[in-house]
Amino acid sequence: DAGVIQSPRHEVTEMGQEVTLRCKPISGHNSLFWYRQTMMRGLELLIYFNNNVPIDDSGMPEDRFSAKMPNASFSTLKIQPSEPRDSAVYFCASTVFGAKAFFGQGTRLTVV
Amino acid sequence: DAKTTQPPSMDCAEGRAANLPCNHSTISGNEYVYWYRQIHSQGPQYIIHGLKNNETNEMASLIITEDRKSSTLILPHATLRDTAVYYCIVRAPAGSNSGYALNFGKGTSLLVTP
Repeated sequence: DAGVIQSPRHEVTEMGQEVTLRCKPISGHNSLFWYRQTMMRGLELLIYFNNNVPIDDSGMPEDRFSAKMPNASFSTLKIQPSEPRDSAVYFCASTVFGAKAFFGQGTRLTVV
Repeated sequence: DAKTTQPPSMDCAEGRAANLPCNHSTISGNEYVYWYRQIHSQGPQYIIHGLKNNETNEMASLIITEDRKSSTLILPHATLRDTAVYYCIVRAPAGSNSGYALNFGKGTSLLVTP
């Protein structure tokens, strides 16, 4: 199994542009999580899905952020418009309901 | 979920056992203790978890006190590759209303020295 796959690995964009981060969870996993990591705030849970349904999005910082999971094998996290303070490493993780979570390698986002 | 308290940093000599403590005094009876680590620039990696009994796997041992208010992660023979941030997390069981997402604190930065 290739594990959780995130793309792109690195993204540099200008302030105001739309950014889309992608995640392919491990096949058979039914829960998916999006995290953001910065030096100041550490690892923050943004949103998670069970069986493709968003369960808790209370960690999404503001309306500029949105996440979707159209099917069991794909999820996106979109930022529109992006701002410099959105610069961070974004991690996706997946798990079988209640079991240990597997994390992707992350997407390093830089907004200039 | 219950909160956890960990020392911000620890050092350990290579080849020695690394004992990483965690306090979780407000843990509920059905909450599990999970340990993850994050090596620089990588995603967090699962290490071990337990409910009330001590657990051991190929990576580490987990010792949970009888009152479940604290635990210790033991790396029996630390290597330089064990240098990482270690997170102790208390997690609701699957199916609970509060969900079972992992909420990471600041963790303990372990430095293994030659």
